[in-house]
Amino acid sequence: AQSVTQPDIHITVSEGASLELRCNYSYGATPYLFWYVQSPGQGLQLLLKYFSGDTLVQGIKGFEAEFKRSQSSFNLRKPSVHWSDAAEYFCAVAKYNNNDMRFGAGTRLTVKP
Amino acid sequence: GAGVSQTPSNKVTEKGKYVELRCDPISGHTALYWYRQSLGQGPEFLIYFQGTGAADDSGLPNDRFFAVRPEGSVSTLKIQRTERGDSAVYLCASSLTSQAGANVLTFGAGSRLTVL
Repeated sequence: AQSVTQPDIHITVSEGASLELRCNYSYGATPYLFWYVQSPGQGLQLLLKYFSGDTLVQGIKGFEAEFKRSQSSFNLRKPSVHWSDAAEYFCAVAKYNNNDMRFGAGTRLTVKP
Repeated sequence: GAGVSQTPSNKVTEKGKYVELRCDPISGHTALYWYRQSLGQGPEFLIYFQGTGAADDSGLPNDRFFAVRPEGSVSTLKIQRTERGDSAVYLCASSLTSQAGANVLTFGAGSRLTVL
């Protein structure tokens, strides 16, 4: 079965600094990969997804992620973090038919003024 | 509706009681999913429906948990004889279909269940 590891439980960055959140997946076939963000009291919001093609994918709010098959990774990046980016971020991997999406445990992002 | 709606947003119950959680998906979405999110964890898959039928219920933890979607739209997650370990946020999501990777899930805000 597929699985996801997010090695960092909590990350703190200063506003304006760059950000990289790590995600490693385990899946025998070509994965479908996602990054979601969850703010307190809010539902999960999709930031970006990778299905095939270009391994660098652009998402909303200035986020991007790069799929590296050789490293089984799908790290999320943002060049300049805003205070409103403080939230919980989840990486997820799904089978081809999306019916059993597996999430990582999440990384909580704190943004310092 | 415009998004996935879940009710109640908060539910406090006593151990041993019966609970129902409701999910109203986006209009026209044929696939509906239930996830459970415990404190400090990522969402955990429970069950998904394609239309009225449960296409995969392999994530339901035991037979106290049951879900229905009788008309292919609204779904109800039912928990019998609740236990303190059932306390979590129950998330519902829907997608246009469940086929391929082209469709993504839209999540509701969740129903927070607390079992005392």
